[in-house]
Amino acid sequence: EAGVAQSPRYKIIEKRQSVAFWCNPISGHATLYWYQQILGQGPKLLIQFQNNGVVDDSQLPKDRFSAERLKGVDSTLKIQPAKLEDSAVYLCASSVGTAYEQFFGPGTRLTVL
Amino acid sequence: AQTVTQSQPEMSVQEAETVTLSCTYDTSESDYYLFWYKQPPSRQMILVIRQEAYKQQNATENRFSVNFQKAAKSFSLKISDSQLGDAAMYFCAYRPNTDKLIFGTGTRLQVFP
Repeated sequence: EAGVAQSPRYKIIEKRQSVAFWCNPISGHATLYWYQQILGQGPKLLIQFQNNGVVDDSQLPKDRFSAERLKGVDSTLKIQPAKLEDSAVYLCASSVGTAYEQFFGPGTRLTVL
Repeated sequence: AQTVTQSQPEMSVQEAETVTLSCTYDTSESDYYLFWYKQPPSRQMILVIRQEAYKQQNATENRFSVNFQKAAKSFSLKISDSQLGDAAMYFCAYRPNTDKLIFGTGTRLQVFP
């Protein structure tokens, strides 16, 4: 069974630029999560989707971050414009449902200069 | 506020020896789940072990076991017969029933031959 796929693996941008990350969850997983992991910290949930709908986006900085889940499968997370403090690893995870084990992707390391 | 505290930023252990990683959490909930995740240098987060709060019996997965003290809100991970492949960041995480995962700041485990 293929795992959670993410791309790109690494991205370096200048502040105020835009960037997008892509996630393909495990087939059949209804729930998809985006986490931000700043160096030295544990992952923090940014947004959670259940199929197409948003379940929790309480910690998503909505003035610059946006996310969508296309047809309940793939998802993209966008930052526009990026700030220095957005430098982090962005992890995508998926699960069969909300109360089930989450499977994580390899993450995208973003560096904002 | 629900918080997870890992007071050991780094731990080290000799191969074949036993090591215990500590975790405490704060919650007013009675029904929740606790997890230990392993994040090797490649950054793909893997679930090591989970514990349901309503279960008194400590969870065990091969060489990994937990000491769950509900009244003390303590959830430590014991790794027996440590192997070089156990070297990684270990994150303790808490999840209220069907709610989001809250991670601690992690403990970096080094394993020496």
